[in-house]
Amino acid sequence: NAGVTQTPKFRILKIGQSMTLQCTQDMNHNYMYWYRQDPGMGLKLIYYSVGAGITDKGEVPNGYNVSRSTTEDFPLRLELAAPSQTSVYFCASKPGMRNNEQFFGPGTRLTVL
Amino acid sequence: AQKITQTQPGMFVQEKEAVTLDCTYDTSDQSYGLFWYKQPSSGEMIFLIYQGSYDEQNATEGRYSLNFQKARKSANLVISASQLGDSAMYFCAMRDTNSGGYQKVTFGTGTKLQVIP
Repeated sequence: NAGVTQTPKFRILKIGQSMTLQCTQDMNHNYMYWYRQDPGMGLKLIYYSVGAGITDKGEVPNGYNVSRSTTEDFPLRLELAAPSQTSVYFCASKPGMRNNEQFFGPGTRLTVL
Repeated sequence: AQKITQTQPGMFVQEKEAVTLDCTYDTSDQSYGLFWYKQPSSGEMIFLIYQGSYDEQNATEGRYSLNFQKARKSANLVISASQLGDSAMYFCAMRDTNSGGYQKVTFGTGTKLQVIP
């Protein structure tokens, strides 16, 4: 199993540009999460999904959108990039409600200039 | 109100000594879970230990143990016999349920642990 994969690893965007951060897991996990980690800070939940077709907002959803059309994929969309979105983005998954450990991807480092 | 509070931005410990990293939490749920993750300088998140709110015994995983005091709403991580490889950021996290009935996870701001030879 590849686990949780994220692409790209690094990206530089200009203000106002759009992009999609990709997240794929091959473990058939129902729950998936998107977090952002600002320098020197903890992780903040952006969006999460409890299964295909079901998503919900986390702590900091503004400026982002998600979709979950399949169990494997959970892309995060930035429509109008702003410098405040400069961060490291982590995707994570876990099998279901009764499972405890989240499996994290390696992260995407995004800089908005 | 902050749901997870880690009051120690940084800690030092001598190699082979034990260290306690503090974590307090706030939730109105009866059923919740508490986690600790390690983030080395390479950036990946590594799961260390989990404690359920109904677990009567403190969780242990090798050199890691979670000192769970439910009445005080604290879930401190104890690392015994510190090693140089333990130098990293440590995050406390809590799983509880939102108003829509879905589980979510909230992380603290982290504690940077440095192990001194």
